[in-house]
Amino acid sequence: SQTIHQWPATLVQPVGSPLSLECTVEGTSNPNLYWYRQAAGRGLQLLFYSVGIGQISSEVPQNLSASRPQDRQFILSSKKLLLSDSGFYLCAWTGYSSEQYFGPGTRLTVT
Amino acid sequence: TQLLEQSPQFLSIQEGENLTVYCNSSSVFSSLQWYRQEPGEGPVLLVTVVTGGEVKKLKRLTFQFGDARKDSSLHITAAQPGDTGLYLCAGASGNQFYFGTGTSLTVIP
Repeated sequence: SQTIHQWPATLVQPVGSPLSLECTVEGTSNPNLYWYRQAAGRGLQLLFYSVGIGQISSEVPQNLSASRPQDRQFILSSKKLLLSDSGFYLCAWTGYSSEQYFGPGTRLTVT
Repeated sequence: TQLLEQSPQFLSIQEGENLTVYCNSSSVFSSLQWYRQEPGEGPVLLVTVVTGGEVKKLKRLTFQFGDARKDSSLHITAAQPGDTGLYLCAGASGNQFYFGTGTSLTVIP
């Protein structure tokens, strides 16, 4: 069966510091991968998605970037965090029937 | 940007009551999913609907996809405290997914 991992689970970072969030998927090959951000109690904002190694599509211009160095690894990064980057970050992959399966999420607080 | 508006945004009901959540858009989607999310966790898929007019039932939950594939509804019969959570609809278009604004449901015992 497929599983998706995210780490860390929680993160508190000062403004201006760098960021690296990692997502890995097991049990499937060549998945479409996604990064979302969610404000408390609200819907998900698509940040990036990838259909293959080295292929990244950005949905929202911002100080975040994404990379896909391996087939089942998706990384979200920032060189300098802003207060507005705080939120709940979710990684997901797409199943064969166009459904999405989500990781446990990372709670990021920028102070 | 393809927007999906959900209504109501918040809903607080007594155990045993029925409720309906709506998901509306001006865009057509190839499929639509409903998810439930609990605090601090990722959303969990409830159902995928693909065909216009399609109705799916999962125990006390009934999902309907609009004929024009622009809207959907989720009806819960005899709500239970375990139904409490954030309900999200999402429309698929190509490789992208557009999530609704969310409906926070609280079922009071």
